[in-house]
Amino acid sequence: QKEVEQNSGPLSVPEGAIASLNCTYSDRGSQSFFWYRQYSGKSPELIMFIYSNGDKEDGRFTAQLNKASQYVSLLIRDSQPSDSATYLCAVGSNYQLIWGAGTKLIIKP
Amino acid sequence: DAGVTQSPTHLIKTRGQQVTLRCSPISGHKSVSWYQQVLGQGPQFIFQYYEKEERGRGNFPDRFSARQFPNYSSELNVNALLLGDSALYLCASSSEKGGNYGYTFGSGTRLTVV
Repeated sequence: QKEVEQNSGPLSVPEGAIASLNCTYSDRGSQSFFWYRQYSGKSPELIMFIYSNGDKEDGRFTAQLNKASQYVSLLIRDSQPSDSATYLCAVGSNYQLIWGAGTKLIIKP
Repeated sequence: DAGVTQSPTHLIKTRGQQVTLRCSPISGHKSVSWYQQVLGQGPQFIFQYYEKEERGRGNFPDRFSARQFPNYSSELNVNALLLGDSALYLCASSSEKGGNYGYTFGSGTRLTVV
């Protein structure tokens, strides 16, 4: 069974610091990887997607992919209180996304 | 531009009843997927439709069914509701069938079965 694992947290980070979120996946054949942000009571919102090994940057967000280690991470620079949310890692598999349970991130002012 | 719209936003049903949830994708998107999210967990895949054809089905019982209409909107039907069906039901659309650029989600339908 294909699985995506995340530390449930909560991960507490001071405002202005770098938040690092991690995700591992079991299907070595996976090709597409996504990070979603979900505020309490709301639906998931796409932050970034990545396909190739290495880093991909978008503003304060950097996604990192290491297919050999089956590992995906998300870095949030200059963390803001508005970044407090649950971050969901998702892996593309055929026509569906396989999701982790999410990491709750708390940014302390 | 309107995003993915879902209706209703909240719903309370009794065990054994049937429910229909509706979704309109982003204009121009031909792919619609349905997910179930139980509190504290990641979403679970239920169905994907592309160009009105079922392209994928998750590990859900036959009580769950769906369809996609010529205008690419979609309905999810759940029969013989169980307490365990209480969840947030999410509809997502994508411009292509593989979702390679990610899916955009609607605000969801919160279903409570009592």
